[in-house]
Amino acid sequence: NAGVTQTPKFQVLKTGQSMTLQCAQDMNHNSMYWYRQDPGMGLRLIYYSASEGTTDKGEVPNGYNVSRLNKREFSLRLESAAPSQTSVYFCASLSGTGTPNQPQHFGDGTRLSIL
Amino acid sequence: ELKVEQNPLFLSMQEGKNYTIYCNYSTTSDRLYWYRQDPGKSLESLFVLLSNGAVKQEGRLMASLDTKARLSTLHITAAVHDLSATYFCAVGFEGSGYALNFGKGTSLLVTP
Repeated sequence: NAGVTQTPKFQVLKTGQSMTLQCAQDMNHNSMYWYRQDPGMGLRLIYYSASEGTTDKGEVPNGYNVSRLNKREFSLRLESAAPSQTSVYFCASLSGTGTPNQPQHFGDGTRLSIL
Repeated sequence: ELKVEQNPLFLSMQEGKNYTIYCNYSTTSDRLYWYRQDPGKSLESLFVLLSNGAVKQEGRLMASLDTKARLSTLHITAAVHDLSATYFCAVGFEGSGYALNFGKGTSLLVTP
């Protein structure tokens, strides 16, 4: 089982460039999430999609947009990258209602550096 | 604003010793999670705690939840080097699609 797949795994951008981080899950999960992880900060929620067709802002949404393309895929876009967006980005998914004992499943992360 | 606070943030302990990591959160939560992260890796789920008094154990790790005190603990028994990692607690709410609010993590180093 692939679980949650993120692409790319590594990326270096110049300030002002744009890019899209891709995330796909094969577990038929309803909910998907984007987090960023910075040293000493834990993980912080950028955006989430509780179900197909819905998206909501998290704690740190500025500078990002998301698209829930279908049930499987949830992408994160940086329109004009800034050095402050240098981070490790994690995508996660969750089955949804009816499965309270299940945790969120995380992808391997995308390590993004902006120069 | 929900706050999740872990302590200690750094912990160095000898093999064979016991220790507890604490996780306090500021508002009522539907679910509490513990995750482990090895350097450069993803997050691995350890425990999901749903109700007051819940206790779960896996190997040398035991997690508990006191919803009245808004406190969860992760107890390490007879630590071994393989437990060296960063441990995160996180809380989630149905109202926000169970998006997680994480603590800053506890970096654990187990030494001989």
